Amino acid sequence: GNSVTQMEGPVTLSEEAFLTINCTYTATGYPSLFWYVQYPGEGLQLLLKATKADDKGSNKGFEATYRKETTSFHLEKGSVQVSDSAVYFCALSDGGAGSYQLTFGKGTKLSVIP
Amino acid sequence: DAGVIQSPRHEVTEMGQEVTLRCKPISGHNSLFWYRQTMMRGLELLIYFNNNVPIDDSGMPEDRFSAKMPNASFSTLKIQPSEPRDSAVYFCASSPRGGLDYEAFFGQGTRLTVV
Repeated sequence: GNSVTQMEGPVTLSEEAFLTINCTYTATGYPSLFWYVQYPGEGLQLLLKATKADDKGSNKGFEATYRKETTSFHLEKGSVQVSDSAVYFCALSDGGAGSYQLTFGKGTKLSVIP
Repeated sequence: DAGVIQSPRHEVTEMGQEVTLRCKPISGHNSLFWYRQTMMRGLELLIYFNNNVPIDDSGMPEDRFSAKMPNASFSTLKIQPSEPRDSAVYFCASSPRGGLDYEAFFGQGTRLTVV
């Protein structure tokens, strides 16, 4: 079956530090990959996505590249801000499995301190 | 658009009582999902509807849980009878279409506490 593995948190960084959150996946087909973000007390919001190998998704200074050879989709940001403090979820959807549901990782909590 | 609307935002109930969670998806979206979020298990998909028809309910934990989507603008998730281990945040999400690259839009969730 499909699965997503994220690095465990929590991650605490100082403002303007470089961020990497690792994500690897297992899928039966050829999935699309996503990063969602959850701010305190809110639902998940799509941060970025990539639908095929070597695609780079980007938004709000965050980037992630779809690496088929390493089955990875690591999230990066060059300079984090306090407002980036949230929980980040890596996810995949694999229509080849016959269902268009999203499979999520367990989430990584990021805290950015001034 | 107001986004996915869930009600209530918070629910506290006693063990054994019936609980009904409600969801209004974004107009025009034809897929609807119910998720449960806990610290221990993370996000779990409970059930998925497409065009108001349940497609995959394999994530529904047991017969105490049931979900309906009587029309394109409304869905309910019911727990009867409720138990303390059902305490969690329940999210509803909708999507404009199926396919490999869809984005799911989430509501703000219902925080359920069963005492």
